[in-house]
This record gives sequence, C-alpha cells and structure tokens, in this order.
Amino acid sequence: AQKVTQAQTEISVVEKEDVTLDCVYETRDTTYYLFWYKQPPSGELVFLIRRNSFDEQNEISGRYSWNFQKSTSSFNFTITASQVVDSAVYFCALALIQGAQKLVFGQGTRLTINP
Amino acid sequence: GAVVSQHPSWVICKSGTSVKIECRSLDFQATTMFWYRQFPKKSLMLMATSNEGSKATYEQGVEKDKFLINHASLTLSTLTVTSAHPEDSSFYICSARAGATQGSPLHFGNGTRLTVT
Repeated sequence: AQKVTQAQTEISVVEKEDVTLDCVYETRDTTYYLFWYKQPPSGELVFLIRRNSFDEQNEISGRYSWNFQKSTSSFNFTITASQVVDSAVYFCALALIQGAQKLVFGQGTRLTINP
Repeated sequence: GAVVSQHPSWVICKSGTSVKIECRSLDFQATTMFWYRQFPKKSLMLMATSNEGSKATYEQGVEKDKFLINHASLTLSTLTVTSAHPEDSSFYICSARAGATQGSPLHFGNGTRLTVT
C-alpha cells in the first residue's frame, strides 16, 4: 500500500520568508507520480506540480521549487519570498503509474503567511 | 485549461433525505472520475472510482448502497448520498483526468459542502 506523510500540520511565517513543506512517501512500486496541490480557503484543489519517479530533477517555477529525492523518499516543496496569498493548505499526493491512478494524499500542511 | 464543475457548491438537507451531487468535465471527456471526501481539517480520502458505462469501484469501508455513483456519460458523474445522516456531513470533491495518457494531472471540482441536520 502507498502512504504519504506530511509531518508538519501547521506552519506560520512572516511574509517574505522562505518556507519548506516536507513530504515523505512510501511505496513498493518503482513507477509512480508525485503531486502537490494547493487548497485555498475557498476549498478547491489547485494543481501545482506532477513529477514521475523516473525524473529526479528539481524544478523551479517562479517562487516555487520542488526537491525530489528518491534516496530519502521525499518530495519537498519550497516557497521563496512568501506572500499572504500563499496561505492555504498544501497537499502532497502519490499515484501509481500502473492502474487507475488513484491519488493517495498526505494529511496536508496548513500554511499561514502573516503580513 | 481543463475545467471540472461540481454542483451544488453547498447543500443543507434534513436527516433521512437524499442528496445528489453532480460532477461535470466541461471541456474534455473523462472515462474515469474519482470521488473524494474530506473531513474538517483532514486529508482527502478516496471513496470510489467512477467508470463511464459501468459500475463504480468503491474503496474499502465505503458503503456502496449509501453512496450511489452513476457515470452515464463521458462528461458527467453523479454521487447520491442516500438517507443522509449528520455523520455524512462533509466536503465532497470529484476529480477527472484531462488527457488520454497515464499521468495526465487530475483536475478537481470546487467541492460540495454537505450539511445534514
């Protein structure tokens, strides 16, 4: 079975600080996808990134960056120069490439950016 | 971009009644949709996989007779909560994959907040 752990339940930082959200996953399969989703107070889930298990390259998109390390089964997410609009719950998720691609979500990290 | 529309956004119903939630893919066809449930300040739990033209596949512990899923077309899946009880109050979210290839990201609806009184 697959499992995703986001050990940080809540994080609170002051605007402009950098913040890293941790994600650790477990799976016996060698082919899988990892995702990050953002859930703002309005409730919808916003897709941020997908990474497949074959690609360990780190990715940067504006103020967002992701660090994928298979050796530690981690897929951490960093926001640099945080802004108040970044306040949301962030979910890390895993899906096997084989099969129906059901997403297994972590518990989520509630990020609060204070002005 | 791919859009998944969910309706209603919120609903309040009395205990014992049934509630239907619709999930539509607006600009793409979805042979498979997924229904998730989210308790307050909790993660999302997969309830079932909705397959167009066939029966849904339910996750362990989810009552299929209580949560009826119908996927009659490539753009519409419905979840009916039958004989609702207060413990069914939750946030229900559907998702669908836009794109034929495995790994195409799932797109989520805006969710439906159900309150059973």
